[in-house]
Amino acid sequence: GESVGLHLPTLSVQEGDNSIINCAYSNSASDYFIWYKQESGKGPQFIIDIRSNMDKRQGQRVTVLLNKTVKHLSLQIAATQPGDSAVYFCAETHTGRRALTFGSGTRLQVQP
Amino acid sequence: DVKVTQSSRYLVKRTGEKVFLECVQDMDHENMFWYRQDPGLGLRLIYFSYDVKMKEKGDIPEGYSVSREKKERFSLILESASTNQTSMYLCASRTGTRDTGELFFGEGSRLTVL
Repeated sequence: GESVGLHLPTLSVQEGDNSIINCAYSNSASDYFIWYKQESGKGPQFIIDIRSNMDKRQGQRVTVLLNKTVKHLSLQIAATQPGDSAVYFCAETHTGRRALTFGSGTRLQVQP
Repeated sequence: DVKVTQSSRYLVKRTGEKVFLECVQDMDHENMFWYRQDPGLGLRLIYFSYDVKMKEKGDIPEGYSVSREKKERFSLILESASTNQTSMYLCASRTGTRDTGELFFGEGSRLTVL
């Protein structure tokens, strides 16, 4: 039958504040995680990745935290800017699977 | 810069038509992927290919087929389009034989089936 799209979670933050976008995963075998940003009308763009042997990784204004105990991943964006407004996806894979499995996404809205 | 090009940004087709979505990458990547994106459902994997003439089913292959005759080109085929295949289709590529690494995406092809 036809599937119905689900409501996309939205996070609204003030410009200059820090943003935290959360993601839960269910596969305990997952060993590689990646965050993508998708702006309106564009394809997803890579932000940052992390392997399961790490619990934190930092990039430019972004930090990814991995908690394998509770199967939780978060993306922190420091000093959020209007250009950060987009939909953010987490994705995971595990050894032996060549493709990424994506989450449903979170829309980040930055208020001026 | 890596470039993944999807030939059509917008298509409108009728139920029962055969539809071809073309994707070309210019970085000699071994792996190519087709995802479907629907609001609130994220990206769902349809098919992928890790070498010329090689293909593997993803999570939602029903109603789709693929073709990879050349390394740089990966085509998604809807043999008989249906209204529930109205969606955004995203092609991606990645280098190497490892299971990890950044996927490079095209801009997407928005297909409407009437």
